[in-house]
Amino acid sequence: GAGVSQTPSNKVTEKGKYVELRCDPISGHTALYWYRQSLGQGPEFLIYFQGTGAADDSGLPNDRFFAVRPEGSVSTLKIQRTERGDSAVYLCASTGGAGAGDEQFFGPGTRLTVL
Amino acid sequence: TQLLEQSPQFLSIQEGENLTVYCNSSSVFSSLQWYRQEPGEGPVLLVTVVTGGEVKKLKRLTFQFGDARKDSSLHITAAQPGDTGLYLCAGALPRGKLQFGAGTQVVVTP
Repeated sequence: GAGVSQTPSNKVTEKGKYVELRCDPISGHTALYWYRQSLGQGPEFLIYFQGTGAADDSGLPNDRFFAVRPEGSVSTLKIQRTERGDSAVYLCASTGGAGAGDEQFFGPGTRLTVL
Repeated sequence: TQLLEQSPQFLSIQEGENLTVYCNSSSVFSSLQWYRQEPGEGPVLLVTVVTGGEVKKLKRLTFQFGDARKDSSLHITAAQPGDTGLYLCAGALPRGKLQFGAGTQVVVTP
């Protein structure tokens, strides 16, 4: 079956603009995670969904960042008033469970560049 | 915050040589995972180690989890150009969250 897909693959925007990043998880996966990977770093946790609800949003850097998953499948990460420091690759991962050590399947990421 | 430090940051070797990368933490993790990431792609899971002292082998890759479950190593025997990539270790946190290290970039030249 299809893996995790993310769109767009690349997004260039200007400082102050609003952007939406989309994640399509593997069908049937109930847990969905968003990570941010800056250049030369490992992925950094942002938010975790179990079904439709955000079970843990402790990694969101500030209130400009928001994510939804209204039907428990597709998720959208929304960034308001983008700043140059938001430039990074945004990765989405899904898994059938949410136990520690469960395999997470990652999408290819969206590379966001804020000019 | 539980931090994972990976070393070295960068490793360039010739095909056929061996290499070892390290992942160290001051905290105990219930399990630790190793991923490989290639440019333009997301990380792909290689292995999960759970038990202190555990050793797992995946073809030419050997993974060890320290007795105290604070550190891990990845050893590659007779490296091939296809082993080139960013190797990431990640410690398991509650609710399935992962704490990643910064990664080791491995380049294997023919």
